[in-house]
Amino acid sequence: GQQLNQSPQSMFIQEGEDVSMNCTSSSIFNTWLWYKQDPGEGPVLLIALYKAGELTSNGRLTAQFGITRKDSFLNISASIPSDVGIYFCAVEMDSNYQLIWGAGTKLIIKP
Amino acid sequence: DADVTQTPRNRITKTGKRIMLECSQTKGHDRMYWYRQDPGLGLQLIYYSFDVKDINKGEISDGYSVSRQAQAKFSLSLESAIPNQTALYFCATSDPNTSGSDNEQFFGPGTRLTVL
Repeated sequence: GQQLNQSPQSMFIQEGEDVSMNCTSSSIFNTWLWYKQDPGEGPVLLIALYKAGELTSNGRLTAQFGITRKDSFLNISASIPSDVGIYFCAVEMDSNYQLIWGAGTKLIIKP
Repeated sequence: DADVTQTPRNRITKTGKRIMLECSQTKGHDRMYWYRQDPGLGLQLIYYSFDVKDINKGEISDGYSVSRQAQAKFSLSLESAIPNQTALYFCATSDPNTSGSDNEQFFGPGTRLTVL
């Protein structure tokens, strides 16, 4: 079953606002990934994190790999309409390289 | 042209019917995956294949089978479809030797399957 807890489930924000979402696990994982799914499409990788404590940016996106290796957060600064979609965290299992996915955070921008 | 394609994009079928979903890729990747997406549950792995001779069950393989016909093709079959298999199905590929990120998976556009 699911081992990742992603929150919040959904967010309604105004254009221009900053966004923060996180992902936690009861187990330690050494690779954390953040994907985005646009409506009607498959997920696309945004940021990959490989080192505990690592902070990585991709444009207006910033993600951090928690020092305990049990959590990660994703921040989006100055949101724009094209940021809408579902954001997934995922972790890689060391044993077989499979990915385990969170349930996603749905981002909706209020008109 | 899309690197990972799925056919059909939408399918409505009846309980008990056999259904095949096709996935093709032009990325030259060895690894291919089939996922199922249900609202509020994220992605669940059904089957994966690391090369043509390698097939592995994922976390929810019951009721599904796969065939890796070639490096570029990976098909998912529902032998006898049931209503709780109604979902969005995604195919994905990866290759840690060629991707910018070791773990990056590249997804197709999805197949929306409805079983009545």
